[in-house]
Amino acid sequence: AQKITQTQPGMFVQEKEAVTLDCTYDTSDPSYGLFWYKQPSSGEMIFLIYQGSYDQQNATEGRYSLNFQKARKSANLVISASQLGDSAMYFCAMREAADDGGATNKLIFGTGTLLAVQP
Amino acid sequence: EAGVAQSPRYKIIEKRQSVAFWCNPISGHATLYWYQQILGQGPKLLIQFQNNGVVDDSQLPKDRFSAERLKGVDSTLKIQPAKLEDSAVYLCASSHRLGDYEQYFGPGTRLTVT
Repeated sequence: AQKITQTQPGMFVQEKEAVTLDCTYDTSDPSYGLFWYKQPSSGEMIFLIYQGSYDQQNATEGRYSLNFQKARKSANLVISASQLGDSAMYFCAMREAADDGGATNKLIFGTGTLLAVQP
Repeated sequence: EAGVAQSPRYKIIEKRQSVAFWCNPISGHATLYWYQQILGQGPKLLIQFQNNGVVDDSQLPKDRFSAERLKGVDSTLKIQPAKLEDSAVYLCASSHRLGDYEQYFGPGTRLTVT
């Protein structure tokens, strides 16, 4: 069964520094997608970044980058130049494969990491 | 562009009562999802619609939960009767098409069952 593991319940980082949030996954399917979402205290999930299993390069979106190490089955999120507004819960998620081997839209989430950015 | 709308934002009910949540997805989005997020956990998919048809409801407790999207636009999720373990945030999300990977989430409805 597919599974996402986030081992850091909480992280602290100083403003303007970089921080890495860990995510490992388990799947036997060759085709899958990996996502990171941000959930501020307001509750909505905000899409940050996506990495496909066949993508050759690590995904980047502004200050967010995904350190994708396929052999280690890890998909860590790196936030550069942290800002106070980055304080939130961060969830790693994987798109589940369908029975026919393709990808579906069904997301499997980890338990999240609470990031606190300190001034 | 307006985001995904949900109501109510908060609801407190007693066990064995019924409750309904409403979701209006982003205009033009064909795919709609309902997730349950229990405190301290990531969201879990309950049901997924493509227009007004159900794509996946494998994790929906069908003895007490029901959902519909009759006209392929807004959707209602109902719990009847509620149990204490149903206390959670219920998130609605939508995406433009079934194959799109980006899902847009609403603010959620926080349900407390006492």
